[in-house]
Amino acid sequence: NAGVTQTPKFQVLKTGQSMTLQCAQDMNHEYMSWYRQDPGMGLRLIHYSVGAGITDQGEVPNGYNVSRSTTEDFPLRLLSAAPSQTSVYFCASTDLNTGELFFGEGSRLTVL
Amino acid sequence: RKEVEQDPGPFNVPEGATVAFNCTYSNSASQSFFWYRQDCRKEPKLLMSVYSSGNEDGRFTAQLNRASQYISLLIRDSKLSDSATYLCVVNVINDMRFGAGTRLTVKP
Repeated sequence: NAGVTQTPKFQVLKTGQSMTLQCAQDMNHEYMSWYRQDPGMGLRLIHYSVGAGITDQGEVPNGYNVSRSTTEDFPLRLLSAAPSQTSVYFCASTDLNTGELFFGEGSRLTVL
Repeated sequence: RKEVEQDPGPFNVPEGATVAFNCTYSNSASQSFFWYRQDCRKEPKLLMSVYSSGNEDGRFTAQLNRASQYISLLIRDSKLSDSATYLCVVNVINDMRFGAGTRLTVKP
């Protein structure tokens, strides 16, 4: 079982560059989400999706875009990277029957 | 005030010890509660849900106190493999809010 697959695991960007973090899940979950995790802070929700074609903003959406063209895929785009976006990013897929979140392995992003 | 607050620790305990973590939440509309475990440089994984009546899973016991708005996690007979960060998670109308985590190190 692949679960949630997230790539890349590591990335270094220069300020102003753009990139896309990929996320795919094979559990047929409708609800997917992106979080960032910073030292001393809990995971914070960036964007989420309740199904294909539907996305919405979370707690810290600025500087990020998402799309959900299929149930399986939920990519996160950084439009113009800033040092404040240096963080660990987690994609998650939620089993709405139990409330359990299944996370990808995380993507460590450094913006110089 | 943070929505979900945890003592960051670290808690350093010997093998075999009993250790307890508390977590407080601010939104009285919170509906469901969880403890997740996160190993160093890994993704969080569900440890256990927390039910109103309290629940136990082996050496782990979770309690919920809605009146005081806190949840707790008790680990009995600590093992070296319990060393991790424990995240308190509160669901407010399908909006999951995470505590910053409590770090536990179990020493031989």
